[in-house]
Amino acid sequence: ETGVTQTPRHLVMGMTNKKSLKCEQHLGHNAMYWYKQSAKKPLELMFVYSLEERVENNSVPSRFSPECPNSSHLFLHLHTLQPEDSALYLCASSQETGTEAFFGQGTRLTVV
Amino acid sequence: GESVGLHLPTLSVQEGDNSIINCAYSNSASDYFIWYKQESGKGPQFIIDIRSNMDKRQGQRVTVLLNKTVKHLSLQIAATQPGDSAVYFCAENYGGSQGNLIFGKGTKLSVKP
Repeated sequence: ETGVTQTPRHLVMGMTNKKSLKCEQHLGHNAMYWYKQSAKKPLELMFVYSLEERVENNSVPSRFSPECPNSSHLFLHLHTLQPEDSALYLCASSQETGTEAFFGQGTRLTVV
Repeated sequence: GESVGLHLPTLSVQEGDNSIINCAYSNSASDYFIWYKQESGKGPQFIIDIRSNMDKRQGQRVTVLLNKTVKHLSLQIAATQPGDSAVYFCAENYGGSQGNLIFGKGTKLSVKP
């Protein structure tokens, strides 16, 4: 248990669906991240939030929309995804950006 | 041809032997490095970190070595155990206020009993 909880653990969605991934951290950290881990690429940083403000968006398609309502919660809203978006989506948090990141268990997403 | 997946380097060791996992990082400006362990079905787990003002750091059964001249990082695991079987990632922090961690491809460690 790392103190970072992601739900759901598994998600299957059609290309026309809209769904959201949720991440919650109980560590009092100021920074939160979304990473994508697929079978074909190394861990890819998608978004970084520091003190609830987005500080990084690594050229992620607009069909992925993050939301950080407070320092403990992070969402990733998904719509009109493609099959190649199937991957493990990992949330992480750290005290400050660039310090040790604690990861959740991930959401295994399958787009059909 | 089409890629069927990310081919990870694999290290196979006998239980009780020492393991050395290597990582070449990309940015000479990186000032902070972390090793993570990822077991099947789980998220990456922090093992040990090192800052660029050091060249060696030891933890419990693990040692990280940093060679900034050749941009090389290694993780040494002493007396490797079956529970050490996992994929190991190095991550570098380019520094600055954003301080994003960038991960390498990973190395799969298999421990034979």
